[in-house]
Amino acid sequence: GAGVSQSPSNKVTEKGKDVELRCDPISGHTALYWYRQRLGQGLEFLIYFQGNSAPDKSGLPSDRFSAERTGESVSTLTIQRTQQEDSAVYLCASSSRTSGTDTQYFGPGTRLTVL
Amino acid sequence: GEDVEQSLFLSVREGDSSVINCTYTDSSSTYLYWYKQEPGAGLQLLTYIFSNMDMKQDQRLTVLLNKKDKHLSLRIADTQTGDSAIYFCALRPGGSYIPTFGRGTSLIVHP
Repeated sequence: GAGVSQSPSNKVTEKGKDVELRCDPISGHTALYWYRQRLGQGLEFLIYFQGNSAPDKSGLPSDRFSAERTGESVSTLTIQRTQQEDSAVYLCASSSRTSGTDTQYFGPGTRLTVL
Repeated sequence: GEDVEQSLFLSVREGDSSVINCTYTDSSSTYLYWYKQEPGAGLQLLTYIFSNMDMKQDQRLTVLLNKKDKHLSLRIADTQTGDSAIYFCALRPGGSYIPTFGRGTSLIVHP
């Protein structure tokens, strides 16, 4: 079975441009998470989707960041007017929510570089 | 909120045991995880422990939890070069689905 996939794997953009990052979760996983990982740092929670519930956006660092999810499938993370401090690896994870441990399965990430 | 601390680097010789440590502040953490991240890859769950446990063993991995000192450790027996990676501890309270991650410990295994 396929794992979590993310695209693109690498994205280089110029300051001020908008970018869209895509995440395909494992089929059947109702929960989806986005994290940001800056160089040498831990994972910073951004946003969490669970089924049809309203997403938990409490981790989004500014209104330049937004994310959408279509049902229980694909999610896109959009960063508008990118800044150099947005450079990081953006990780997506999904979970099935069928056990209390809520194991998250991670994608390989998208490395974003803002010049 | 939760604060999770890990040392940044650990260097061991192949065949020795590695012990990676994690300290935390929130005693309500119910689920405690260890993830491994290899270069260019996402995080992979290695093992986890519930807060009502003191120890969990899984092949070469041993997790120890000291709730009094809020200290979690991961011991890797007979460390191999393939174990070289970044190891993250993550904690989650029972009432939340959002874990807090440490900054990760980079394990370097040399011959």
